[in-house]
Amino acid sequence: GAVVSQHPSWVICKSGTSVKIECRSLDFQATTMFWYRQFPKQSLMLMATSNEGSKATYEQGVEKDKFLINHASLTLSTLTVTSAHPEDSSFYICSARDAGVGYNEQFFGPGTRLTVL
Amino acid sequence: GQNIDQPTEMTATEGAIVQINCTYQTSGFNGLFWYQQHAGEAPTFLSYNVLDGLEEKGRFSSFLSRSKGYSYLLLKELQMKDSASYLCAPRPPLVFGKGTRLSVIA
Repeated sequence: GAVVSQHPSWVICKSGTSVKIECRSLDFQATTMFWYRQFPKQSLMLMATSNEGSKATYEQGVEKDKFLINHASLTLSTLTVTSAHPEDSSFYICSARDAGVGYNEQFFGPGTRLTVL
Repeated sequence: GQNIDQPTEMTATEGAIVQINCTYQTSGFNGLFWYQQHAGEAPTFLSYNVLDGLEEKGRFSSFLSRSKGYSYLLLKELQMKDSASYLCAPRPPLVFGKGTRLSVIA
C-alpha cells in the first residue's frame, strides 16, 4: 500500500524558534497533501490543503504566516511552525492523496509530536 | 461545510459485534470514509463507500445511505486490539468529527 513518511517523528524546541516538518509520499505521487493537528484527546483538525506548485489553502482560524506550507514537488510537502510557542505543542499529521487512485483515498503519515518549551 | 455526528463513546465485549453510527451533512459528496485511530498514532484507513449498500472487508463492514446522510461501521468478533477511536468522514479533504472511542472489555 501507499506509504507516507514524516520527519522528524518528534521534536522538542525552545519558545521562539522555528520547526520544519517534512512529509513525503514514498511510492506514489501526491498532487495534494493535507496537514492536520491534534491536541490530546481532541479530534484531528484540518489545518491546510497543500497543492503541488501553488499556494496552500488554510482552514479558518489557522494563521498562514505562522504555519508556512511548501509543496515543492509531487512527493514532498513541508510545514514550518514559525516562532513556536508552548500552545503550538501538538501532534501534527500529514496526509497525501494518491493522484493515481480513483477514489481519492488519503494516506496518513505517522505524525510528528512537537513540544515547545 | 460539513457536520458529522457520532456517539462519543461505546463499550463492547470481546467476541461481540458492535455497530458505530455516523450521520453527516456535507456540501458535495465523494464517498464516505472510515478510519481507525489508536491513541497517539495516525489514523489508518478502514473502508470507503461511494454507493448505497454494504461493503464487507473481513471483520469490518461499512454501510452507506446517501439519501439519509447515514453510515455505520460494523465490527465483528471484537478483539481487545480493536479498542480505538473510529472516525467517519465524507469526501476529501477529510474533515473529521470527534469520532467514537470504542473500548473492548473482556
